[in-house]
Amino acid sequence: AQTVTQSQPEMSVQEAETVTLSCTYDTSENNYYLFWYKQPPSRQMILVIRQEAYKQQNATENRFSVNFQKAAKSFSLKISDSQLGDTAMYFCAFMKPETSGSRLTFGEGTQLTVNP
Amino acid sequence: GAGVSQSPSNKVTEKGKDVELRCDPISGHTALYWYRQSLGQGLEFLIYFQGNSAPDKSGLPSDRFSAERTGGSVSTLTIQRTQQEDSAVYLCASSLPVGVVAFFGQGTRLTVV
Repeated sequence: AQTVTQSQPEMSVQEAETVTLSCTYDTSENNYYLFWYKQPPSRQMILVIRQEAYKQQNATENRFSVNFQKAAKSFSLKISDSQLGDTAMYFCAFMKPETSGSRLTFGEGTQLTVNP
Repeated sequence: GAGVSQSPSNKVTEKGKDVELRCDPISGHTALYWYRQSLGQGLEFLIYFQGNSAPDKSGLPSDRFSAERTGGSVSTLTIQRTQQEDSAVYLCASSLPVGVVAFFGQGTRLTVV
């Protein structure tokens, strides 16, 4: 079974600064996907970024980028130029594509607060 | 619809009552998932549908929990004889048949008093 660990329950950052959220996972699989989801107070989970394990290049989406270290099983999220709207709970998630359903395994989450 | 729709948004029920939670996935998304998020916790998988069949029910916590999907679209999660530990946010997600990305609804917050 896969496990995902987020060791930082809470983090805070000043507006416009950079913050990095940590995530480690454990799996024996070679083909999988990793995700960061954001959950604002509205409760809706919003996809921030995804990474395919077979790709060596780190994914980037505007101000969001990841540092994917496959051998170390580490998948951190860097948010640059933090904005007040980035305040939310962030979840790291693992997925192994299967024909019988590609369910997500989530970490415990990191509550990020961006301060003005 | 444009997104995954869940109803009700909030539900307060008395211990021992039955509740039904509804999920309307994105049109064309044949894969549908239910997750539970307890207070301060991550999300735990409950059940997966592909079309109307549920090949993976391994996350359902007890036989008080059941789910069905009709017409390959709307799904209903039913909790019988609710207990206080059932209080949580229940999230639904859908994806394309072999889709990698799951799109979530806003969830139903269930409170059992």
